[in-house]
Amino acid sequence: QKEVEQDPGPLSVPEGAIVSLNCTYSNSAFQYFMWYRQYSRKGPELLMYTYSSGNKEDGRFTAQVDKSSKYISLFIRDSQPSDSATYLCAMDQGAQKLVFGQGTRLTINP
Amino acid sequence: EADIYQTPRYLVIGTGKKITLECSQTMGHDKMYWYQQDPGMELHLIHYSYGVNSTEKGDLSSESTVSRIRTEHFPLTLESARPSHTSQYLCASSVPTGRGEQFFGPGTRLTVL
Repeated sequence: QKEVEQDPGPLSVPEGAIVSLNCTYSNSAFQYFMWYRQYSRKGPELLMYTYSSGNKEDGRFTAQVDKSSKYISLFIRDSQPSDSATYLCAMDQGAQKLVFGQGTRLTINP
Repeated sequence: EADIYQTPRYLVIGTGKKITLECSQTMGHDKMYWYQQDPGMELHLIHYSYGVNSTEKGDLSSESTVSRIRTEHFPLTLESARPSHTSQYLCASSVPTGRGEQFFGPGTRLTVL
């Protein structure tokens, strides 16, 4: 069983929709949770960072962590075609060695 | 935006060739990493370094080797490339605190014929 599970999609939604991306994990020692966005043929870029349980908002993006359920989410409001990318969740237990999900490929249709 | 660079961006070579993938960062980060990523798959850590003269193997076994002679430079070498090495190779670095954020270069897409 993988430490981090993420539905690879693909996920296709119309412009303006609210997008929900999720990951589950099995290692209760994970403390730091990140979302990366990766455009085609590019390296991942850090999108959101959260520590422990709770919500964090940055513009149209909201990251949510529920440590009791071992479940993290990324919400994108008012989605734009430029949001089309692969979204990877990543987690760290403090050793600065990240464990990544497989990535969800997202397409926003104009 | 993170200042981490990788060259070449694309490389097509024949079997048996020795290759070196370059990675440099200008942020003064002590920690650097190499990942391998196949299409549609997660990133797998193949090497990491916590500072000059420090290198460790990652979770995914790799025939490549790395060196860390200077803080800003973390090259990856394949002594004899094979078709099974065809993949995307991503270099990253991280801040010295324990927060876990890593910053990635653009990647090198390697094809071995």
